[in-house]
Amino acid sequence: EADIYQTPRYLVIGTGKKITLECSQTMGHDKMYWYQQDPGMELHLIHYSYGVNSTEKGDLSSESTVSRIRTEHFPLTLESARPSHTSQYLCASSPQTFSYEQYFGPGTRLTVT
Amino acid sequence: GENVEQHPSTLSVQEGDSAVIKCTYSDSASNYFPWYKQELGKGPQLIIDIRSNVGEKKDQRIAVTLNKTAKHFSLHITETQPEDSAVYFCAASHRDNYGQNFVFGPGTRLSVLP
Repeated sequence: EADIYQTPRYLVIGTGKKITLECSQTMGHDKMYWYQQDPGMELHLIHYSYGVNSTEKGDLSSESTVSRIRTEHFPLTLESARPSHTSQYLCASSPQTFSYEQYFGPGTRLTVT
Repeated sequence: GENVEQHPSTLSVQEGDSAVIKCTYSDSASNYFPWYKQELGKGPQLIIDIRSNVGEKKDQRIAVTLNKTAKHFSLHITETQPEDSAVYFCAASHRDNYGQNFVFGPGTRLSVLP
């Protein structure tokens, strides 16, 4: 069982609000990822990090930002939420060395009204 | 860059029958191929994986096969049960200096009918 957590699990918020989605892992993994999952199921990589103080944009352009101040923590922030941000957000992590696996958190279902 | 295709997008089978999901990839540098199962309201869960130096791997009712020459790999589920109903994702992965990079297929929605 992977030790990766996301909060909140569900969030309904009004347009224009600032939100932060939390992601934490206790496995000591260096690499962390954020995916956006659309209703058609596909996973789109929006951000990733190689380690502390490293953040990179993924394949899908996103208005969100991320930070990596601690190895175990990789929060995602939307400064001003819009209805187009409504989606499922999935956090994942993988070790840098000696292993290949990527583990996912349970996800945050965001609805912007 | 890597491109992963997955077929079919939806699959319905009768309980007890077998299900097969197929994926193709484009980048010969990919060396790791995981399969994930995502149940409703949950994150994807790794169910089986295979590395490029292996042709087949089995874990109880699920198996994965890899054909490196043809750049395709498949998930096989035998004796399907209703709890196998979920969305399944394949992925192709290769390693750089900073760890693994993953490209996912678009997913297959499997329904096992009782």
